[in-house]
Amino acid sequence: GQSLEQPSEVTAVEGAIVQINCTYQTSGFYGLSWYQQHDGGAPTFLSYNALDGLEETGRFSSFLSRSDSYGYLLLQELQMKDSASYFCAVRDSSYKLIFGSGTRLLVRP
Amino acid sequence: EAEVAQSPRYKITEKSQAVAFWCDPISGHATLYWYRQILGQGPELLVQFQDESVVDDSQLPKDRFSAERLKGVDSTLKIQPAELGDSAMYLCASSFLPGQGAGELFFGEGSRLTVL
Repeated sequence: GQSLEQPSEVTAVEGAIVQINCTYQTSGFYGLSWYQQHDGGAPTFLSYNALDGLEETGRFSSFLSRSDSYGYLLLQELQMKDSASYFCAVRDSSYKLIFGSGTRLLVRP
Repeated sequence: EAEVAQSPRYKITEKSQAVAFWCDPISGHATLYWYRQILGQGPELLVQFQDESVVDDSQLPKDRFSAERLKGVDSTLKIQPAELGDSAMYLCASSFLPGQGAGELFFGEGSRLTVL
């Protein structure tokens, strides 16, 4: 079967750094993406990794290790507005985008 | 800024009734997706269109769900009859490329269905 595992909830303090991990098991792999979703809102694209290594976009970075079927999203200089759910998603061999169950991030003052 | 339009935003219906959701993707996006998201879970793909053709509907409960994209632009997702377990957010998304590269998906605000 296909599965993506990520922690259900993470809490961090404003200004801190937080890492959200994702491990996956899918039939084929064409990249790992991260999406952010605020309560009641639509998921929005954050980042994409097709190759091993770190991709940086402002305060957010995403890492991929294909040999370990593992990736993470790193959020730096946390702000209150970063409180949201974060989903990792994998494109499988049929290019279908499969989402994890999401990590709810709570940023405290 | 171009957006994916969905309607209705909210729908309350009784079980065994029929419901329909509409989606208008971003202009020029050939690929359209319908996802179902149960509260506290990740989006689950129901159906994926490339232009007017279905490329994946393996998770669509075909005994009660149907989807069409007749002219390769807007799309309709129908449920008949609705069941209590269908209560969820129905998200429509579109992308320019079907899956190459990042293939970023642009999501609409969703249609929240409550079945009583």
